[in-house]
Amino acid sequence: EAGVVQSPRYKIIEKKQPVAFWCNPISGHNTLYWYLQNLGQGPELLIRYENEEAVDDSQLPKDRFSAERLKGVDSTLKIQPAELGDSAVYLCASSGGTGIGTDTQYFGPGTRLTVL
Amino acid sequence: AQKVTQAQTEISVVEKEDVTLDCVYETRDTTYYLFWYKQPPSGELVFLIRRNSFDEQNEISGRYSWNFQKSTSSFNFTITASQVVDSAVYFCALSEFMDSNYQLIWGAGTKLIIKP
Repeated sequence: EAGVVQSPRYKIIEKKQPVAFWCNPISGHNTLYWYLQNLGQGPELLIRYENEEAVDDSQLPKDRFSAERLKGVDSTLKIQPAELGDSAVYLCASSGGTGIGTDTQYFGPGTRLTVL
Repeated sequence: AQKVTQAQTEISVVEKEDVTLDCVYETRDTTYYLFWYKQPPSGELVFLIRRNSFDEQNEISGRYSWNFQKSTSSFNFTITASQVVDSAVYFCALSEFMDSNYQLIWGAGTKLIIKP
């Protein structure tokens, strides 16, 4: 069974440019998560989807970040415009089960973003 | 207040030594879940184990073992006969009900270096 797929793996952009990350969760997993991970730290949740509904986006900086999961399968996270401080690894995870947040999350390889 | 404490920032041992990674958590919930993940240099977070608060039995999986003690709020991870491939950052995480949602609270991680 395929794991969580993310693309691109690496992205280098100039500040103020837009950037988008794509994630395809494990087949059948209804819950999808986007995390940000800074060097030397644990992941920080940005947004959680259950099917196509964003059930927790309290930590998403909505002035520049947006996300969508239109058909309840794959998802896109966008930053516009990017700032220097956005340089980090963006992780996508998915989980099956009841989706109440206690399920095991399976992670993709991440996208390493560098903003110059 | 920090909910998950991994006091060991970095541990370095020689191959074949046993090593224990500590995890101490803080929660008011009676029902919660604890996780360990491994993040090798490739960057992908790999799920290792999930335990619920009602199951205090220790678990062994090959060279890996976990000691869950509610009395001390600890969920420690031991690698027996360590190998170079065990070199990674290991994260402990707590799933707790907060703000109408279950959220995964991550420790800061312990970087494990296994020297040949």
